[in-house]
Amino acid sequence: AQSVTQLDSQVPVFEEAPVELRCNYSSSVSVYLFWYVQYPNQGLQLLLKYLSGSTLVESINGFEAEFNKSQTSFHLRKPSVHISDTAEYFCAVKVYNAGNMLTFGGGTRLMVKP
Amino acid sequence: DTGVSQDPRHKITKRGQNVTFRCDPISEHNRLYWYRQTLGQGPEFLTYFQNEAQLEKSRLLSDRFSAERPKGSFSTLEIQRTEQGDSAMYLCASSLAGVRIEKLFFGSGTQLSVL
Repeated sequence: AQSVTQLDSQVPVFEEAPVELRCNYSSSVSVYLFWYVQYPNQGLQLLLKYLSGSTLVESINGFEAEFNKSQTSFHLRKPSVHISDTAEYFCAVKVYNAGNMLTFGGGTRLMVKP
Repeated sequence: DTGVSQDPRHKITKRGQNVTFRCDPISEHNRLYWYRQTLGQGPEFLTYFQNEAQLEKSRLLSDRFSAERPKGSFSTLEIQRTEQGDSAMYLCASSLAGVRIEKLFFGSGTQLSVL
């Protein structure tokens, strides 16, 4: 069975500083990888996904994540965060060609301070 | 596109009572998912439907839990004889099958508190 570990439950950071949210997964088969974001009082929204091809994927609001197969990681980064990035971020995997279940990590709360 | 809506937003019940939650997906979406999220944890998959057929069920879904999607539109999740361990946020998501990788749209959830 697959699993996802988000190593940091909370990440406090000052506005305009860079941030990295870590995600490691475990799976014996190929997976697709996702980052979801949950803003306060809203539902989860897809931020970005890795399916195949280039290991670096980007979102429209400046986040990027890099798939590292050897380290089984999919860390999320942003070079300069904004107050509006304050949210909970969830890493998730889906096993290739094996149903539609997403397995989520425990989440990382990003707290951007002015 | 009005998004995925869930009702109620909050539910407080006493142990042993039955509760039912409703999810209305995005209208053209043919897949509907239920997830459960406890405090400090990520969402855990419970079950999913394609149209009215329930295609996958997690081992987390005990006999006390039942989900339906009778006409392939809205869905209900019922928990019978609730226990304190059932306290959680119940999330619904919908998607459109047939694309290479589907995109799930989540509702804001129903927060269940069992006293």
